[in-house]
Amino acid sequence: GIQVEQSPPDLILQEGANSTLRCNFSDSVNNLQWFHQNPWGQLINLFYIPSGTKQNGRLSATTVATERYSLLYISSSQTTDSGVYFCAGSVNDYKLSFGAGTTVTVRA
Amino acid sequence: GAGVSQSPSNKVTEKGKDVELRCDPISGHTALYWYRQSLGQGLEFLIYFQGNSAPDKSGLPSDRFSAERTGGSVSTLTIQRTQQEDSAVYLCASSLFGQAGYTFGSGTRLTVV
Repeated sequence: GIQVEQSPPDLILQEGANSTLRCNFSDSVNNLQWFHQNPWGQLINLFYIPSGTKQNGRLSATTVATERYSLLYISSSQTTDSGVYFCAGSVNDYKLSFGAGTTVTVRA
Repeated sequence: GAGVSQSPSNKVTEKGKDVELRCDPISGHTALYWYRQSLGQGLEFLIYFQGNSAPDKSGLPSDRFSAERTGGSVSTLTIQRTQQEDSAVYLCASSLFGQAGYTFGSGTRLTVV
């Protein structure tokens, strides 16, 4: 499978701050997803975004497949945004390879 | 159902015993996946089903692990002769087809003592 590198590994934010999480891939993916794992362990799909830009409320994501990276933007962060953010991708394959995650802590 | 349902949510078993983990995917989702997440580790792919077929079993850690899916719906992951290194959260996900957004269940936390 492909290699997935996420940065930064940890992020501490003050409530209301904006942030950008990055995901680099070892190959050009055609299936790319972002997930949020909340403190209770539930994995929530945020975006299915093999290319282009999508927005969902305060979250948005951009994937540049030809340059093998994706960015997740969190605006006006809230304490409920805390948790681990994973990106995952695959190339012509159903088997998603996951990054190690970015642990986000939002302080009130 | 509205989401992916997994049972049991927690399972404590003695080393050497067999366990069965169940996954009910979202109705109509043809693709089903099993992953494993160990403490402090990332998500490790185990197996993928398209309908009732499992074209790729290469992620299963050993021959003690097996999985089946029936009726294009419910899937069971079986671990025989459990070992302590099998302790992990086992996550099931489904998607509408092979390359679409995953929906994960809440997982089964397996502890082997």
